[in-house]
Amino acid sequence: QSVLTQPPSVSAAPGQKVTISCSGSSSNIGNNYVSWYQQLPGTAPKLLIYDNNKRPSGIPDRFSGSKSGTSATLGITGLQTGDEADYCCGTWDSSLSAVVFGGGTKLTVL
Amino acid sequence: QITLKESGPTLVKPTQTLTLTCTFSGFSLSTSGVGVGWIRQPPGKALEWLALIYWDDDKRYSPSLKSRLTITKDTSKNQVVLTVTNMDPVDTATYYCAHRLQFRTFDSWGQGTLVTVSS
Repeated sequence: QSVLTQPPSVSAAPGQKVTISCSGSSSNIGNNYVSWYQQLPGTAPKLLIYDNNKRPSGIPDRFSGSKSGTSATLGITGLQTGDEADYCCGTWDSSLSAVVFGGGTKLTVL
Repeated sequence: QITLKESGPTLVKPTQTLTLTCTFSGFSLSTSGVGVGWIRQPPGKALEWLALIYWDDDKRYSPSLKSRLTITKDTSKNQVVLTVTNMDPVDTATYYCAHRLQFRTFDSWGQGTLVTVSS
C-alpha cells in the first residue's frame, strides 16, 4: 500500500480537462515538494511537474500542478489520445526519511 | 543532456544477490547537490523507491529494504551500483536508475531493466 493516495483511474474525452489528486500527510506532501511523473505504456517514467508546480523545459503548459496542505493535484487540459498513460506523484517523507510515491493513476482519454 | 542506463542480469535465482549498474553521462557525481537513485516497479504495480546516493557519499535507503540494499558510486567511471541480497520472486520488477535534482525530484530516468527472480 502506497504512502501517497491516488485514484486508480480517471477518464475524460479528448479536448476536455482532467485532474488527478494525490493525498498525503504533514510528513510528506505537507512539508516537501511534490513531483508528478508520466509513464506511457512500456516506457520509463518522465518528469512532468516538480517543486509542486514547475514544468521542466519541453513540457507543454497543458500540464499544471498545485498543492494545498497535505494534497497535491495534477491538471491536464486539452486532453489528447497521446496523454493516455499512468500518472504518479512523489515526494520526500521526512518521518520515514524516504522517497515515497503514489500508487499511480491510469488516465483514459475516451 | 543527461542519460542513464541500467545493466545487469535479467534472471536471478531465489536467495542470490542482484548487482545492477547505472552508467550515466551529462553530469558528474562529484558536483555538489547531485544524486542518483534506484527505483523499481513490479509488473503492473506502482513505483517503489529503493536507494539514493549523493555527491558527498551520503546514502539513503528504503526503510523496508535497508538490510538488503547497498548503493555505491564510482565517480571516475560515472557509475552507481546497487546490490540487493537474498532475492525473492516478489523482487521481480523493472529496476530504474534516475538523476536526483537538488534533493527534490528525479528529473531524468534510465530506460529500466527487467529482473526476473525464478528458480
